[in-house]
Amino acid sequence: ETGVTQSPTHLIKTRGQQVTLRCSSQSGHNTVSWYQQALGQGPQFIFQYYREEENGRGNFPPRFSGLQFPNYSSELNVNALELDDSALYLCASSIGTVQGEQYFGPGTRLTVT
Amino acid sequence: AQKITQTQPGMFVQEKEAVTLDCTYDTSDQSYGLFWYKQPSSGEMIFLIYQGSYDEQNATEGRYSLNFQKARKSANLVISASQLGDSAMYFCAMREDRGSTLGRLYFGRGTQLTVWP
Repeated sequence: ETGVTQSPTHLIKTRGQQVTLRCSSQSGHNTVSWYQQALGQGPQFIFQYYREEENGRGNFPPRFSGLQFPNYSSELNVNALELDDSALYLCASSIGTVQGEQYFGPGTRLTVT
Repeated sequence: AQKITQTQPGMFVQEKEAVTLDCTYDTSDQSYGLFWYKQPSSGEMIFLIYQGSYDEQNATEGRYSLNFQKARKSANLVISASQLGDSAMYFCAMREDRGSTLGRLYFGRGTQLTVWP
């Protein structure tokens, strides 16, 4: 196990609703990255947080937002959910932005109906 | 252009045999990292092996080795002595270490490996 935890495991939401996903990073890791993995695809980078600041963003609209807390845990918020937001959401923690490996949590599977 | 290309949607290997999963990458950076992850049906992305662009030796981790050919921009994963538990989706990923995209991982579409008895 990596020590990276995510909650909830599964979630079902209705189109137009808002959702918050949570991630606790591995001990000693100060960087959290979020990825979206649609069915049958590789993960796509959403954004990264380093020491509570956003440190890079992928090609996702502003309704995807995030936070990192002083203990380096993180939240991913998605507003105005769309059907295409249905995916596995993965968070990964690492020490720094370019040093070492990124260790992933078990993911949150979001279904939007 | 795709940063990571995995051309094998599916691979089959008999237990105890070795298998190579292909990965090519595209970057103009000199400093980058290459990763392989295993994703079982449960969904968790399990880190397997890492190769830095300046590492001269091929990375090895137990039964996993990374065949790094920098000039060809390839980073193939070799699994020796396959086990039934190796059946999973395998992803190759790259991290660029400079510029506006530093720190993010680019993933390929994956290769589904099936190990049969």
